[in-house]
Amino acid sequence: DADVTQTPRNRITKTGKRIMLECSQTKGHDRMYWYRQDPGLGLRLIYYSFDVKDINKGEISDGYSVSRQAQAKFSLSLESAIPNQTALYFCATSDHRNTEAFFGQGTRLTVV
Amino acid sequence: DAKTTQPNSMESNEEEPVHLPCNHSTISGTDYIHWYRQLPSQGPEYVIHGLTSNVNNRMASLAIAEDRKSSTLILHRATLRDAAVYYCILRDVTGANNLFFGTGTRLTVIP
Repeated sequence: DADVTQTPRNRITKTGKRIMLECSQTKGHDRMYWYRQDPGLGLRLIYYSFDVKDINKGEISDGYSVSRQAQAKFSLSLESAIPNQTALYFCATSDHRNTEAFFGQGTRLTVV
Repeated sequence: DAKTTQPNSMESNEEEPVHLPCNHSTISGTDYIHWYRQLPSQGPEYVIHGLTSNVNNRMASLAIAEDRKSSTLILHRATLRDAAVYYCILRDVTGANNLFFGTGTRLTVIP
């Protein structure tokens, strides 16, 4: 089983719809992250969480929200999807020492 | 957050060594130098990291300049499976300590 599992892997949704992307990890790490990647670009940080009661905005949090349901679960929501949120989304986890981050396989989201 | 500068792309012949450079002239004393790579259609994966001394692991070596303003990721024998985008990232051990990705270097390995 993968260390970091993202669901769904692919999703097409319509403008204005609410959508949730889910992430779970089996590493037992405290820290979890959501990133977005646009074609030809690096990853940009959307939100991060250092433990269940901690939520922090990243570089590009507008239009997104997150929920840390448990240590192992971190979900990303788009309250009202818009076409420029079409991108590849990655979840990641790391421990408090921040030596190595583990990434999921990504969720390809298309907003039409 | 301190920035890094990498070439957009590089090519290497299969089974030859590859030296991927990274400039980070504004690096602070608490910044670690991390390298990740992203293979096609996959999430990034950790390669190596270091602070001041050169580092070796099963995947690669990291050579850090004495003034720490630049570093080089060394793949000793490039294989076709090493074709990926390589990201050089500075990670501050204080504060939020997040990974901030630039656009990286796209490595093409020629058979």
